[in-house]
Amino acid sequence: ETGVTQSPTHLIKTRGQQVTLRCSSQSGHNTVSWYQQALGQGPQFIFQYYREEENGRGNFPPRFSGLQFPNYSSELNVNALELDDSALYLCASSPAPGLQRVDTQYFGPGTRLTVL
Amino acid sequence: DAKTTQPTSMDCAEGRAANLPCNHSTISGNEYVYWYRQIHSQGPQYIIHGLKNNETNEMASLIITEDRKSSTLILPHATLRDTAVYYCIVRGNTPLVFGKGTRLSVIA
Repeated sequence: ETGVTQSPTHLIKTRGQQVTLRCSSQSGHNTVSWYQQALGQGPQFIFQYYREEENGRGNFPPRFSGLQFPNYSSELNVNALELDDSALYLCASSPAPGLQRVDTQYFGPGTRLTVL
Repeated sequence: DAKTTQPTSMDCAEGRAANLPCNHSTISGNEYVYWYRQIHSQGPQYIIHGLKNNETNEMASLIITEDRKSSTLILPHATLRDTAVYYCIVRGNTPLVFGKGTRLSVIA
């Protein structure tokens, strides 16, 4: 187990609705990254938060937004849901890069979002 | 796009070593080779990473060629629970870019 938790496990929404997904990072980790994994595909990077600020973003529209809190937990918000937003949403936490200058990311179990 | 090439699928007999290859001919000097695996519908699990030296931990060994253009992940004694999609990722301090990975099936 990585110590990264996500909630809820599953949820179902309809087109046009808004959704908030939550992630608690591993103790001691100050960076959270979010990924979207469509069925049959590898995860795709959405964005990363470091010390409560967005620190990089993938090719996702502005209706995907996020927050990181002082305790380093994080939220992913998606507005105006579309059918193609149906996917497994993964968060990964990591410590600061340190001497290696790369961070090792540890993933949570994911939230399965279905948009009808 | 992913910077790595992996076979689509592989089979391995239970108890035998599983050797998963990865080509990364365009790797840069400051980029690491990372391996993750994903068991069906779960979050990816970190396995191991390395820069240029071979690495070993409790899960696996990573063998990187001297020119760093390819590597092999070795699971020394595969079990049925090792059945998963294995992703080889080359990265610096950048987001993980997942390709399609190798689907490893461990057969009893």
